[in-house]
Amino acid sequence: EDKVVQSPLSLVVHEGDTVTLNCSYEVTNFRSLLWYKQEKKAPTFLFMLTSSGIEKKSGRLSSILDKKELSSILNITATQTGDSAIYLCAVAGSNYKLTFGKGTLLTVNP
Amino acid sequence: EAGVAQSPRYKIIEKRQSVAFWCNPISGHATLYWYQQILGQGPKLLIQFQNNGVVDDSQLPKDRFSAERLKGVDSTLKIQPAKLEDSAVYLCASRRPGLARLEQYFGPGTRLTVT
Repeated sequence: EDKVVQSPLSLVVHEGDTVTLNCSYEVTNFRSLLWYKQEKKAPTFLFMLTSSGIEKKSGRLSSILDKKELSSILNITATQTGDSAIYLCAVAGSNYKLTFGKGTLLTVNP
Repeated sequence: EAGVAQSPRYKIIEKRQSVAFWCNPISGHATLYWYQQILGQGPKLLIQFQNNGVVDDSQLPKDRFSAERLKGVDSTLKIQPAKLEDSAVYLCASRRPGLARLEQYFGPGTRLTVT
């Protein structure tokens, strides 16, 4: 059974801090790893990574995949209160279906 | 482009009652998913459709849950009868055709409370 573990489960920081969220996985027939941000209900897509070592960036957010270590990190620099959300990691394996981790609850205080 | 539409947004029912959720995916998205997200957990796949055919329903509790996508566009998920442990957010997602495009786009979800 495919498995995704995220850490930490929750994190509280102050505005301006830099945070690193972790995701490790065990999956049969790895296809890709995806990061989502969930603020209210609907997860919104952030990144998809398929190749090891390539960094994906979007503004203050960036992510790298390490296929050797079966893990990925999501970095957020200069955090803002609007970054407060649950960040979900998911992996696509056999049949291209997504298996999600439990998420990291990030709280950014002013 | 319009996003994934779901209704209702909230539903409160008593245990042993029935409930149905509706989803309309993004136009042109052939693959549709239903997920259950219990508080504090990540979304768990219940069923995956490709057009109007079922690809994966291995985690769907078939004794009480059913889903259909008769015309390959919108879909309904039904629970009959509901149990207390079915309280969750039910998310619908869709994906573009093509094996290279794995990202799924989610609807706003339906929060179900079973009392």
